[in-house]
Amino acid sequence: GAGVSQSPRYKVAKRGQDVALRCDPISGHVSLFWYQQALGQGPEFLTYFQNEAQLDKSGLPSDRFFAERPEGSVSTLKIQRTQQEDSAVYLCASSLDPGQGLETQYFGPGTRLLVL
Amino acid sequence: ILNVEQSPQSLHVQEGDSTNFTCSFPSSNFYALHWYRWETAKSPEALFVMTLNGDEKKKGRISATLNTKEGYSYLYIKGSQPEDSATYLCASPNTGGFKTIFGAGTRLFVKA
Repeated sequence: GAGVSQSPRYKVAKRGQDVALRCDPISGHVSLFWYQQALGQGPEFLTYFQNEAQLDKSGLPSDRFFAERPEGSVSTLKIQRTQQEDSAVYLCASSLDPGQGLETQYFGPGTRLLVL
Repeated sequence: ILNVEQSPQSLHVQEGDSTNFTCSFPSSNFYALHWYRWETAKSPEALFVMTLNGDEKKKGRISATLNTKEGYSYLYIKGSQPEDSATYLCASPNTGGFKTIFGAGTRLFVKA
């Protein structure tokens, strides 16, 4: 079946511009995670959804970052007034069960954001 | 704060060599450990999840061990092949499971 998809795959933004990154999880997956991966680093947790509920947003670096999953499927990560330090790969992952730490996360290919 | 460390950062081996790398994590409040493989231009792919001290998992030529008392896991690749070239990530969720902490990865290059 279809895996996790993300769009766009690449995004170049001018500093100050708003961007929206989309994640389509595997159908029926309850859990959805967003990660930010800077060059040379591992993925860093941003936020977690269980269906439409955002249960953990402790990793969002500033109030310029906002995520939603209004119907419990597709999720959007929005970054307002982008800064150069926002340049990174943004990964989305989904898992079948509620986040308990044991289930496998299925990752999308990521969106590579470059802020000039 | 949960901190997951991986070493080495990168590794170059010849085809046919066996290799291993390390993931270390705080042993207190351990919950689970995941290994993922991430090939260039693809999505990270799950290899193993381990929970019990002494766990050993195997998938083809790749295996992993877990020591929760001392806080480390080893990933072994037997007879490396060029297609094994990838970044290998380990990750551990905090107790309760929502927030998964990843290491920076070990980048493996296998030369034919």
